[in-house]
Amino acid sequence: DVKVTQSSRYLVKRTGEKVFLECVQDMDHENMFWYRQDPGLGLRLIYFSYDVKMKEKGDIPEGYSVSREKKERFSLILESASTNQTSMYLCASSLDGTGLSPRWGYTFGSGTRLTVV
Amino acid sequence: DAKTTQPNSMESNEEEPVHLPCNHSTISGTDYIHWYRQLPSQGPEYVIHGLTSNVNNRMASLAIAEDRKSSTLILHRATLRDAAVYYCILRYQGAQKLVFGQGTRLTINP
Repeated sequence: DVKVTQSSRYLVKRTGEKVFLECVQDMDHENMFWYRQDPGLGLRLIYFSYDVKMKEKGDIPEGYSVSREKKERFSLILESASTNQTSMYLCASSLDGTGLSPRWGYTFGSGTRLTVV
Repeated sequence: DAKTTQPNSMESNEEEPVHLPCNHSTISGTDYIHWYRQLPSQGPEYVIHGLTSNVNNRMASLAIAEDRKSSTLILHRATLRDAAVYYCILRYQGAQKLVFGQGTRLTINP
């Protein structure tokens, strides 16, 4: 089975800190994604990457950046954490990098619950 | 993006079948219908997908209307572990991202 592993299950950070959320997948998937999930707002896409060193903004990229130096690893960076970034962060990967094969599904990690105080 | 409409919540009893509906009246010919579920405190999990024909796998069945404007996810014999939020999502050719709606919160009574 494909596994998507997020480095931390729970994280507490202070306002203004630089925060790194790490995600690793083990099945050579091309696409990787970062979502955040908030009550009443559902899952919202922050950034995604369809290849090494490539990235695309999602629906809510402000305050975030990403890094993909290796195919298996996709990092989400909060440059200066703020309390409104307290959320559940979910990483996902998908085989299909072009969107030309919409039959392929996503595999999600278990999530990182980040609290910024 | 074509939209889907699902009931906010549904309730069923353990060991009974569950039919979760999804309307997608603006679906286009190349849209795949995907279902995911999210268990409490977990990330979403792929359940099943289809294009035109009904599909079965070990988790569930997907029944797609002939005009493709609606579909139904069928859990044949619900267990307490099936309590989750179920998302019906359309994925079109060329779409690199999944767009999640609010889903249906399924409660299973013992």
